[in-house]
Amino acid sequence: NAGVMQNPRHLVRRRGQEARLRCSPMKGHSHVYWYRQLPEEGLKFMVYLQKENIIDESGMPKERFSAEFPKEGPSILRIQQVVRGDSAAYFCASSPSLAGGGEEQYFGPGTRLTVT
Amino acid sequence: AQKVTQAQTEISVVEKEDVTLDCVYETRDTTYYLFWYKQPPSGELVFLIRRNSFDEQNEISGRYSWNFQKSTSSFNFTITASQVVDSAVYFCALSLIISGGYNKLIFGAGTRLAVHP
Repeated sequence: NAGVMQNPRHLVRRRGQEARLRCSPMKGHSHVYWYRQLPEEGLKFMVYLQKENIIDESGMPKERFSAEFPKEGPSILRIQQVVRGDSAAYFCASSPSLAGGGEEQYFGPGTRLTVT
Repeated sequence: AQKVTQAQTEISVVEKEDVTLDCVYETRDTTYYLFWYKQPPSGELVFLIRRNSFDEQNEISGRYSWNFQKSTSSFNFTITASQVVDSAVYFCALSLIISGGYNKLIFGAGTRLAVHP
């Protein structure tokens, strides 16, 4: 059973370009979370999605950032017009169907975004 | 406010020493979960343990043990007879159960452990 897959693993973008980060959850998981890890910091929650729905985007910056989890295909985190402060590691996690909360979230290997 | 504090930024030990990583959390919820994750130099996150707020029993898994004390809101992690392969950043996390049943993790800033031969 493959784990959570993220690609690319490393992404370099120039200021002003767009970054697209992809996450394929574990088989059978329909819940996806995105977290951001700034250098030398812990992970910060960004957004929680179920298939075709954004449930909680309270951690997402209001501008330039968007996320989707279509019926078919991976979840996408999109950053438009990237700035140097967007340089970070972006982790995706997935969990199985809800059963009252507290389920383990399985993390992908992360995408390291560098904005030059 | 929900918060996780890992006061130790970096710890350096010599192989075979025991080491304890501290974690203090804040929440007003009565139901919550606590986690520890390991992030080795390769960067991925490795799940170590999950503990719910109703289970205060300590847990041991090989050289790893965890001490959960609700009275002090702490969930400390001890590595016995540390090894070089234990060198990593360790994160403690608090899981908030949101109405609707999903949970989101609040991470501490992490403790970087360096084990020297």
